[in-house]
Amino acid sequence: QFVLIQPPSASGTPGQRVTISCSGSSSNIGSNYVYWYQQVPGTAPKVLMSRNDQRPSGVPDRFSGSKSGTSASLAISGLRSEDETDYFCAAWDDSLGGVVFGGGTKLIVL
Amino acid sequence: EVQLVQSGAEVKKSGESLRISCKGSGYSFSRHWILWVRQKPGKGLEWMGRIDPSDSYSDYSPSFEGHVTISADTSISTAYLQWPSLDISDTAMYYCARLDSGWNFGNYYYDMDVWGQGTKVTVSS
Repeated sequence: QFVLIQPPSASGTPGQRVTISCSGSSSNIGSNYVYWYQQVPGTAPKVLMSRNDQRPSGVPDRFSGSKSGTSASLAISGLRSEDETDYFCAAWDDSLGGVVFGGGTKLIVL
Repeated sequence: EVQLVQSGAEVKKSGESLRISCKGSGYSFSRHWILWVRQKPGKGLEWMGRIDPSDSYSDYSPSFEGHVTISADTSISTAYLQWPSLDISDTAMYYCARLDSGWNFGNYYYDMDVWGQGTKVTVSS
């Protein structure tokens, strides 16, 4: 249903490094920037990563983003309990002429 | 401070009409597209459509074309999302977001950089 493909869940223990993947196609990730959003249930999405790997002001450097071809990844190092929430990737899609999102990944901190 | 403030939660019956709003402040409202995004309970984000407030040009995701209308009133820096006839399946949280776009070292960017707080719409039979 969602154009960008994310794993439904990911997990790690405190202090670990986890990565969340986002797979797309040539019309979206392959030709446009990737964005990551963090969403605490019941609140609006918060921009976590902009233009593939740019952290907005206030986002800790534990978070990093990367892109290669038609896939992207969000890495979280030094995992903390407050990181346990939902993460979405997004990109502009040239064929659609609009934004496409991933289905979201629920991060669980064990 | 740049912000988008959305109208409050709505409870409606199937078949009724509805218009929700998104008011921008802290920036030149006409200079940025406004997007609308749907999120059904426990689900992901879906792009519905967008509007250029400077000329009210709008376009829609095929999934929403013909079912909703997006409009804007620059005199009060407000964008709207409207349903002529609600369906139970329209029960969701709706977000507006500002789109900042342009060129960055040879690449075009589409930053959804500011989001509204969301409007919860509940439709019953």
